[in-house]
Amino acid sequence: NAGVTQTPKFQVLKTGQSMTLQCAQDMNHNSMYWYRQDPGMGLRLIYYSASEGTTDKGEVPNGYNVSRLNKREFSLRLESAAPSQTSVYFCASGDRTTDTQYFGPGTRLTVL
Amino acid sequence: EDKVVQSPLSLVVHEGDTVTLNCSYEVTNFRSLLWYKQEKKAPTFLFMLTSSGIEKKSGRLSSILDKKELFSILNITATQTGDSAVYLCAVLYNTDKLIFGTGTRLQVFP
Repeated sequence: NAGVTQTPKFQVLKTGQSMTLQCAQDMNHNSMYWYRQDPGMGLRLIYYSASEGTTDKGEVPNGYNVSRLNKREFSLRLESAAPSQTSVYFCASGDRTTDTQYFGPGTRLTVL
Repeated sequence: EDKVVQSPLSLVVHEGDTVTLNCSYEVTNFRSLLWYKQEKKAPTFLFMLTSSGIEKKSGRLSSILDKKELFSILNITATQTGDSAVYLCAVLYNTDKLIFGTGTRLQVFP
């Protein structure tokens, strides 16, 4: 039981490059989330998916797209990376019966 | 605007001290309040609080919620160096959305 896994752990991009962050959970949760964490800003919700086939914007969605591929997987895509997207990205999955969210290990992204 | 505010931002104590971390919130459609501990990596779940006045305990950590005054506290007694971390408060609202505070950084020195 791995919980929530994310790949890659680290990534360096040049401005304008694209990439996809992958997330998978094996806890059979319906809800999945993408957050970014910046110094002094706490965790901010980018996008979330309440169930397979649905996605919705969070607090800071601009510059990102998501895909809920199936119940287990939720990916985050940066189409044209910008230095302002330098951050640590966390994926989480949620358990509605307990209202608890469980987090993956994070991806540290640097955009030059 | 929905917000969660934590205080203090930073705290430095010696082993054995007792600390109290504060979290206040202004959130519409409140469902529950969660506390997380974040060391070097991902936040790990500590407590979920839904009802006022009911203390949750786990070892040396305890937490309580006041829904009338819109705040929660996290207490850590007999602190240890392993308690050094950022403690995050988050409020679950609407459907399944969490809004986080900026965290309190706790440093415990021997």
